[in-house]
Order: sequence, then C-alpha cells, then structure tokens
Amino acid sequence: AQSVAQPEDQVNVAEGNPLTVKCTYSVSGNPYLFWYVQYPNRGLQFLLKYITGDNLVKGSYGFEAEFNKSQTSFHLKKPSALVSDSALYFCAVRDKLTGGGNKLTFGTGTQLKVEL
Amino acid sequence: DTAVSQTPKYLVTQMGNDKSIKCEQNLGHDTMYWYKQDSKKFLKIMFSYNNKELIINETVPNRFSPKSPDKAHLNLHINSLELGDSAVYFCASSTQTGAYNSPLHFGNGTRLTVT
Repeated sequence: AQSVAQPEDQVNVAEGNPLTVKCTYSVSGNPYLFWYVQYPNRGLQFLLKYITGDNLVKGSYGFEAEFNKSQTSFHLKKPSALVSDSALYFCAVRDKLTGGGNKLTFGTGTQLKVEL
Repeated sequence: DTAVSQTPKYLVTQMGNDKSIKCEQNLGHDTMYWYKQDSKKFLKIMFSYNNKELIINETVPNRFSPKSPDKAHLNLHINSLELGDSAVYFCASSTQTGAYNSPLHFGNGTRLTVT
C-alpha cells in the first residue's frame, strides 16, 4: 500500500528566508509524487510533480521539490518565502503499480506560516 | 469560467435527511473524483468515475451514492445523514490520458454540517 508522511504540522519562516516542507513516501514500485497547496476555503491547487528524470522539479510560484530515492523523500522548497505563500501544503503519491485510475494518497498536510 | 464548480458551497442539515452535492467541470476531462476532507484536514478519496464508469470505490458507506450523467458531471447523493458525515467534500477532475501522472483539478469544496 502507498503512504505519505508529512512530519511537521506547521512550519514557520520569516519572509525572504528559504523554506522547506518535508515529505516522505512509501510505495511498492516507482512513485509518482505531487505537491498541492490549499488556501483557506479553497480547493487544492497543483504545484508540481515528479514522474521521472531530473530529481529537482520546478513548479508554480517559484516552488521546487527534490526527489531523493534513497531517502524516499520529496521535500518542497522555495529560496525566498513570501507572506502570500502562507497556506496548507499537501504531498501526495501514486504508486505506478496501483491499478484503478488516478488514486492519489495525500499526506496530512503542513501549515506554512510566513511572517514579516 | 470556473474550471470545477460545486454547488452548494455550504450545506447545513439535520441528521436523517437526504442531500445532494453537484459538480461540473468545463476542462474537457474524462475522469472525476469525490474526496472528503475531515476536520483535521485529512483528505481521502471516495469515488472516481471515468467516462461515466465507476473506477474507484473506496470503503464508503452505501448511504453515499455517486452519479455521473455525463463525463462533465459527477454528483454525490447522501442518504440518512449522520453527524460523522460533517466534512468538506471536494470534487476534482483529471485527464485519462497519462492518467497516472495527470494533476487533479479541484473545486472549492462543499462544507457539509450535520446537526
């Protein structure tokens, strides 16, 4: 079975500083990995994905994520945080071996708070 | 020009009632989903339809019945509502082509409160 762990419920960072939101995964085969962001009272928005190829993936709003197979991690990063980045971030995984459509498993979410 | 739209946005009802949530997408996608987000923000898939055919049916009480009249619509009907059904329900869609890695597009959710 596939699973995702986001070890931090909340991450606080000062505006202008780099940010990292952590994610580790567990799958049977090679993973498809995703990051989504949720603003208050809104649905999730897709940020970026890793399918294959370069381990560093670039996405929307200046975010990037690094796939590390040996550590089974897919941490979300941004070089310089903005107050407007404050939101709830979800990591998600889909096992390539899993049949039955695009069945994503989401982590529990990490609340990012960027302060002035 | 909302891509995935759900109605209603808020739904407050009493235990035992039957209610429906509607979802429509104008992205031309052929796969649609229902997700449930509980009070701790945990997201779990409930159902998925591809071209009106049910392809994912998680362990959900049979009081929940999805219906897809066409590939642009996926509705969720809930019978005999219980307190534990209170949550935010999200509709989402994606393309079937490259299905395993195509991102999901979410609606803004329906906040269901059962009293």
